Amino acid sequence: DAMVIQNPRYQVTQFGKPVTLSCSQTLNHNVMYWYQQKSSQAPKLLFHYYDKDFNNEADTPDNFQSRRPNTSFCFLDIRSPGLGDAAMYLCATSSRSRRDRATDTQYFGPGTRLTVL
Amino acid sequence: QKEVEQDPGPLSVPEGAIVSLNCTYSNSAFQYFMWYRQYSRKGPELLMYTYSSGNKEDGRFTAQVDKSSKYISLFIRDSQPSDSATYLCAMSALTGGGNKLTFGTGTQLKVEL
Repeated sequence: DAMVIQNPRYQVTQFGKPVTLSCSQTLNHNVMYWYQQKSSQAPKLLFHYYDKDFNNEADTPDNFQSRRPNTSFCFLDIRSPGLGDAAMYLCATSSRSRRDRATDTQYFGPGTRLTVL
Repeated sequence: QKEVEQDPGPLSVPEGAIVSLNCTYSNSAFQYFMWYRQYSRKGPELLMYTYSSGNKEDGRFTAQVDKSSKYISLFIRDSQPSDSATYLCAMSALTGGGNKLTFGTGTQLKVEL
């Protein structure tokens, strides 16, 4: 089935040690999103790519970066993870046209749970 | 005040009960309303998507939007233990920067045998 895949599902890193989370999709969607979700909280949008255009949320820390080398893949890089960055990281995709920005239903991957020691 | 308010629960009901989950919001620009189901340690799964006010039914699920009251609901009929999950409401407005989703914090539902 077409889907959004995230690897790894569980990631353990040390305080300050860079980590990369990956997302791939077989939906051929042009928009990819990264969310951070902490326990019992709503998912919080970090940034998204509309095709190759990168859109950062104003309150996303500089510690978080992203790369999208092609349509199918998107990476989340955390340069120096702190204890407060332990969370579930969710990748989502949607198909949006410039003509009709309103209808991009987002489809989520299973998430990567990050633990920072 | 949060843009989207959702009672976190937990909500516990017996199997077969009708469940009502609700969200209120403050941003009158929201036009698109979604309900996601999230099982423990999994990503959110889209359940329902509605535009503007009115009702939408899909099997045992009915989504209701009342834009005048800024209130949305999800009803689950004949609830099953497999419905036990966290239900997140999400909404968006058409903006120049794209279609950003604003989520509620989720309501945890447990359906007991």
